[in-house]
Amino acid sequence: GQSLEQPSEVTAVEGAIVQINCTYQTSGFYGLSWYQQHDGGAPTFLSYNALDGLEETGRFSSFLSRSDSYGYLLLQELQMKDSASYFCAVATGRRALTFGSGTRLQVQP
Amino acid sequence: GAGVSQSPSNKVTEKGKDVELRCDPISGHTALYWYRQSLGQGLEFLIYFQGNSAPDKSGLPSDRFSAERTGGSVSTLTIQRTQQEDSAVYLCASSLREGEQFFGPGTRLTVL
Repeated sequence: GQSLEQPSEVTAVEGAIVQINCTYQTSGFYGLSWYQQHDGGAPTFLSYNALDGLEETGRFSSFLSRSDSYGYLLLQELQMKDSASYFCAVATGRRALTFGSGTRLQVQP
Repeated sequence: GAGVSQSPSNKVTEKGKDVELRCDPISGHTALYWYRQSLGQGLEFLIYFQGNSAPDKSGLPSDRFSAERTGGSVSTLTIQRTQQEDSAVYLCASSLREGEQFFGPGTRLTVL
């Protein structure tokens, strides 16, 4: 089976940088995805790492270390609209993702 | 359409009734997934369709749950004899690439 661990809550101030970590245990690992979900909304795709290293997309970056079964999402220049839940999810082949329980990010002024 | 659509957006039903939830995936996406999410929780995988292959039903919680995908496009999730613990948001997603799924707005199911 698969299991993922991520912090339940993170608080940061506007303009700051925050890192949300994710560790996983799985068989047949293909890659690590990150999704953002605002209250009452649907999850939206942020990034997917299949290879080790850092992927940057605007203010958001995602990192993967396959040897450590670890990844993180880095959010820079935080804005109030970034307040949301962030989920890491592992891809284990051509099937559904297994999601972590989510990290609730609160951005304060 | 431009994105994944689901209907109805909200469904209130009485315990013991059957419900059908519909999902229209993004045109051309070969993979379709159903998840459910309880308040403040993560996403729980239910079922996965990939092209013409047999669906992966390993996440269905009981035999009261079933799903079909007609013509490789629209999917219907059916819950028979609903129970109060079935209350959740049911999310559909479609995908063309590994790891990248596009979610619909969900159906909020309330079983009284």
